[in-house]
Amino acid sequence: GESVGLHLPTLSVQEGDNSIINCAYSNSASDYFIWYKQESGKGPQFIIDIRSNMDKRQGQRVTVLLNKTVKHLSLQIAATQPGDSAVYFCAENIYNTDKLIFGTGTRLQVFP
Amino acid sequence: DTGVSQNPRHKITKRGQNVTFRCDPISEHNRLYWYRQTLGQGPEFLTYFQNEAQLEKSRLLSDRFSAERPKGSFSTLEIQRTEQGDSAMYLCASSSKGQANNEQFFGPGTRLTVL
Repeated sequence: GESVGLHLPTLSVQEGDNSIINCAYSNSASDYFIWYKQESGKGPQFIIDIRSNMDKRQGQRVTVLLNKTVKHLSLQIAATQPGDSAVYFCAENIYNTDKLIFGTGTRLQVFP
Repeated sequence: DTGVSQNPRHKITKRGQNVTFRCDPISEHNRLYWYRQTLGQGPEFLTYFQNEAQLEKSRLLSDRFSAERPKGSFSTLEIQRTEQGDSAMYLCASSSKGQANNEQFFGPGTRLTVL
């Protein structure tokens, strides 16, 4: 299949370890953020989201942290599995607009 | 499958030809978005519709690009006189205006290669 993001930053982790993927966003007026997972040859898949009035949100095995002071977003994946291998993108929604602005992706590689 | 669908999945064309892609959103979603993604980059916004109205167009959308959503359901994206720089993955997403958040669901994309 086709590779998404041939020259992206890469995070390599061992199966079972926790992963932390970071993202810096650009606009202080952004009020909503989403993490997407993109596997080779596929469209982005929604993982978890967070509004700007929160600083933490948890899902199943995933946690998103938001630090508005430094405009930083992180995605934590617990007990990383081989199926988590993909490119991960953060996206921001600027207040009162309807488009998403995507950050530079991070490739996650999970080794057995 | 009730997700966003796109056709074709792959398109190879010669420079100068016209191409048209189709997107079928999730049926109850009234918003539809087009994005373009090149290798190594995140998706870039092109345009979006609320029902049949095209509400915003990016500066990336040159006059060779046109998008329609005539009945507020499926949408088409046409590229006229294709150039090699148009080679990319074209992604469609949909969402519902009634949602509290702008959670967009993406289709599998159409991979365009211009020779």
